[in-house]
Amino acid sequence: EVQLEQSGVEVKKPGESLQISCKVSGYSFTSHWIAWVRQRPGKGLEWMGSIYPGDSDTKNSPSFQGQVTMSVDTSISTAYLQWNSLKPSDTAMYYCARRAGYTTTWSYFDHWGQGTVVTVSS
Amino acid sequence: QSVLTQPPSASGTPGQRVTISCSGSRSNIGSNTVNWYQQLPGAAPKLLIYSSNQRPSGVPDRFSGSKSGTSASLAISGLQSEDEADYYCASWDDSLNGQVFGTGTTVTVL
Repeated sequence: EVQLEQSGVEVKKPGESLQISCKVSGYSFTSHWIAWVRQRPGKGLEWMGSIYPGDSDTKNSPSFQGQVTMSVDTSISTAYLQWNSLKPSDTAMYYCARRAGYTTTWSYFDHWGQGTVVTVSS
Repeated sequence: QSVLTQPPSASGTPGQRVTISCSGSRSNIGSNTVNWYQQLPGAAPKLLIYSSNQRPSGVPDRFSGSKSGTSASLAISGLQSEDEADYYCASWDDSLNGQVFGTGTTVTVL
């Protein structure tokens, strides 16, 4: 069974750094892209970017370029999303999702993590 | 700001058919396939339709998708109370070089 298990709730202050994780199981970690999706409170879904664990190739949304860093550790089948300096506007739920499909333009997110709540407040 | 536009809300009584539209442009829906996600209250999104009209295993055949030109639609027939959720369309955008989601539609079962 494919599973994506995300790390727990985070409460941080502005300017602090943060790394959240997404541990996968039930399939070969290096064979599928992993995407990160933001959902601000009461708002819709926003694609932040995707990373291919096979070679750490990344595709970033222009809206999030330079704001976050995606990485992976293939030895423990885990993807990460990192901030160097959080802002209150980063307060949101963050989901990781496995990308399926043959190409970037013909793809979809077939399995999702449960989400990580990040709250940034002074 | 999303480039895929959906109506904010849709509703119906149990058993009715409800349709949700998703309007895009040549660079996204007009050129690529459309996916639909269902987000139940307090839960993570779930894939409902992929490749415009394909249902993943386990998704009831009450849900169907279609695409024409730069628009797509999700239809829910035989509406049930457990269908109350937010629904999002999504597609790749060639101009933005990224995945884009629709604005989302909240379905209410009256």
